[in-house]
Amino acid sequence: DAGVTQSPTHLIKTRGQQVTLRCSPKSGHDTVSWYQQALGQGPQFIFQYYEEEERQRGNFPDRFSGHQFPNYSSELNVNALLLGDSALYLCASSPTGWGKDTGELFFGEGSRLTVL
Amino acid sequence: AQSVAQPEDQVNVAEGNPLTVKCTYSVSGNPYLFWYVQYPNRGLQFLLKYITGDNLVKGSYGFEAEFNKSQTSFHLKKPSALVSDSALYFCAPARGSGAGSYQLTFGKGTKLSVIP
Repeated sequence: DAGVTQSPTHLIKTRGQQVTLRCSPKSGHDTVSWYQQALGQGPQFIFQYYEEEERQRGNFPDRFSGHQFPNYSSELNVNALLLGDSALYLCASSPTGWGKDTGELFFGEGSRLTVL
Repeated sequence: AQSVAQPEDQVNVAEGNPLTVKCTYSVSGNPYLFWYVQYPNRGLQFLLKYITGDNLVKGSYGFEAEFNKSQTSFHLKKPSALVSDSALYFCAPARGSGAGSYQLTFGKGTKLSVIP
């Protein structure tokens, strides 16, 4: 059973560019959350997708957007990249539904974005 | 609103000795509390959680945590540390309910080093 997979693992962009990160959730999971982890910091919640809609959002600007597909996979898009967007971007999946949701998030290994 | 504090950036302990990683939290309503571990260049792994019930929660790899409502603390403990326990540990209160909508607020993390 594959866990959460993310791509690409590493990428380098320049200021002003746009980036798309991809995530495939663990089998049986329908909810995907995205977190940003800057160097030396804890992960910060960006947003969560369920049933192809953004269900919750953290304190991130509109430059950060996302999408969830019918197969539950998800994309994170960041426009107009800033140097401060350099971070490890983590995707986490979980099942939704009473009796299914244990509260445990399953994380991928992340996509490390460097903005020059 | 919810917040978390991990007062120690680093904890050093000798192999075989007990270890404690401290966490205090602030949440509105009933707290949902989690501990996650992160190994170098990896995603986060779930250790344990407190939702309700016994104040002493047992988790993976021999870890346990004690929920103390009056002190708003949720310290992580292990009776006998292993070198392989060396990693970055995150405490995280969560907002949401048992319907897959958990939004975690992570602390800055505590680096645990177990010395052989």
